[in-house]
Amino acid sequence: GAVVSQHPSRVICKSGTSVKIECRSLDFQATTMFWYRQFPKQSLMLMATSNEGSKATYEQGVEKDKFLINHASLTLSTLTVTSAHPEDSSFYICSARDHGRVNYGYTFGSGTRLTVV
Amino acid sequence: DQQVKQNSPSLSVQEGRISILNCDYTNSMFDYFLWYKKYPAEGPTFLISISSIKDKNEDGRFTVFLNKSAKHLSLHIVPSQPGDSAVYFCAASALEAGGTSYGKLTFGQGTILTVHP
Repeated sequence: GAVVSQHPSRVICKSGTSVKIECRSLDFQATTMFWYRQFPKQSLMLMATSNEGSKATYEQGVEKDKFLINHASLTLSTLTVTSAHPEDSSFYICSARDHGRVNYGYTFGSGTRLTVV
Repeated sequence: DQQVKQNSPSLSVQEGRISILNCDYTNSMFDYFLWYKKYPAEGPTFLISISSIKDKNEDGRFTVFLNKSAKHLSLHIVPSQPGDSAVYFCAASALEAGGTSYGKLTFGQGTILTVHP
């Protein structure tokens, strides 16, 4: 089945530094990837939709200059949290869509726990 | 504006009994619905989905029912097992412009299911 690999699984960084999170589709090509954020005991909130070869589409209220998304190939999308602050600490999850799958292929990565100190 | 709502934060059932998880939505454009199971610090795992052209879809112990007029769907797990204990999210999507592909997922808040031995 479709597998999405997300790295790192957890990262601790100092306030003011940048952190890059990678999301890879291992056995299929993903023209579209989604980035979510989940706060404790809350729902998954969509941050942005990433399309291969074009600019990401950000949801309302998400700072595109702070959360940089790159989708340079059909199997890799990256999310860079720039100048991270403690309020950016959260659980980030990516999802890649495989159009060839029956359930329209929303497969999720294992998530990244970001802690900014 | 919570377009997908899971009004029960938690549900506790006895092993072997039926678990019924409910979900309501407000956006009439939604026409594809999915249920995910999620453990802490992990990405969601796909369980079952249903298209708006159906009112029931069954896969093993999992059955999803859709009532379009009420904008309500439910997930039935029979029989419930202790290993089913997790957070369950319902999600909804709509066909993108052009009608050839489904777009982003909108998630409910999740319901914590606990199955007691």
